Amino acid sequence: ELKVEQNPLFLSMQEGKNYTIYCNYSTTSDRLYWYRQDPGKSLESLFVLLSNGAVKQEGRLMASLDTKARLSTLHITAAVHDLSATYFCAVDGNSGYALNFGKGTSLLVTP
Amino acid sequence: ETGVTQSPTHLIKTRGQQVTLRCSSQSGHNTVSWYQQALGQGPQFIFQYYREEENGRGNFPPRFSGLQFPNYSSELNVNALELDDSALYLCASSLDLFTEAFFGQGTRLTVV
Repeated sequence: ELKVEQNPLFLSMQEGKNYTIYCNYSTTSDRLYWYRQDPGKSLESLFVLLSNGAVKQEGRLMASLDTKARLSTLHITAAVHDLSATYFCAVDGNSGYALNFGKGTSLLVTP
Repeated sequence: ETGVTQSPTHLIKTRGQQVTLRCSSQSGHNTVSWYQQALGQGPQFIFQYYREEENGRGNFPPRFSGLQFPNYSSELNVNALELDDSALYLCASSLDLFTEAFFGQGTRLTVV
């Protein structure tokens, strides 16, 4: 069974600070996704990482993938309040159908 | 906006009842997946339909069933509702197998 672990599960950080969210998964996978979810809302796709060493950046968020270590990171640079949300990583376990999600990281950015 | 629409957005049902949730996939997408997200948890895969056939199923009992229609829209049916079925149900459509999934806004089901 493919397991996906995120840490931390809860993160409170000050505006302007940097931090990294980690996503470990237990078996090989060709695809890793990062999503954002606001309270009561659906999942917004942030990044799709398709190969070892892939790095993608959008605004203050940067995601990377190390398939050998089975690790992805989501780095937040100079956090702002608008980034407050829950962030999920999800791994396609090569089944072609099921996305396996982590439990999510609930991020709160405070002044 | 992903182009994936779900209905209804909210629903309240009584334990033991049956419910049908609907999903209209993005234009041109032939694959639909359904997920259950309990409060405070990550989404859990229920099943996937590809070109009107079930293509994979997660660890959910048979009272969770689905359909995909020729226009690739989909339904999720849940029989004999239990309190633990209360959750956000997410539909995701993909252009094809092994391609990125785009999520709808979800249906919030409450079982009382």
